[in-house]
Amino acid sequence: LAKTTQPISMDSYEGQEVNITCSHNNIATNDYITWYQQFPSQGPRFIIQGYKTKVTNEVASLFIPADRKSSTLSLPRVSLSDTAVYYCLVGDRRGSGNTGKLIFGQGTTLQVKP
Amino acid sequence: NAGVTQTPKFRILKIGQSMTLQCAQDMNHNYMYWYRQDPGMGLKLIYYSVGAGITDKGEVPNGYNVSRSTTEDFPLRLELAAPSQTSVYFCASRSEGYEQYFGPGTRLTVT
Repeated sequence: LAKTTQPISMDSYEGQEVNITCSHNNIATNDYITWYQQFPSQGPRFIIQGYKTKVTNEVASLFIPADRKSSTLSLPRVSLSDTAVYYCLVGDRRGSGNTGKLIFGQGTTLQVKP
Repeated sequence: NAGVTQTPKFRILKIGQSMTLQCAQDMNHNYMYWYRQDPGMGLKLIYYSVGAGITDKGEVPNGYNVSRSTTEDFPLRLELAAPSQTSVYFCASRSEGYEQYFGPGTRLTVT
């Protein structure tokens, strides 16, 4: 199973762009990279998913280099409400190792300050 | 659609008691998951299922059991509750794509 490594915590200020990088050196050919956001006392919520290059949606961008050994979640112009824990997961469409299993890492706690 | 529902929302158990956490989804998803989250920590996978009648262990299965007799339901059974099982339990489901949909969680305290 591909293991992910993220920074434990990050601080930012309102209006800044935040980039959170996830390392996944053992990513397999069929694996996708997915990011989730979790607020206190809530279940995680899907943010974005990608396979290679760049993906953008209404809330974030995901940058994946050619070797796919890392990925960067970019949050443009963060606000106080973006304070949350962010997780990256790696696995194919049927789960890690083609088994259906999906494992969360420690996540990155983002604190946005006024 | 109600999405993923979990009951109860809160529960206090005494050591040695047993209980079943209920999880149901109405999205016809094949994949379902149980995670636990201890305070200040990430989610740990307990059990998961890739379809009715098929279940498998995750990272921390000891002390728990699951069954998947229907596509909709995925109950988690705690036998002989211990203080180490005090946690928030999340159920999730997904289709063949990657997006997991999470329930609101069950906050369990074992004293």
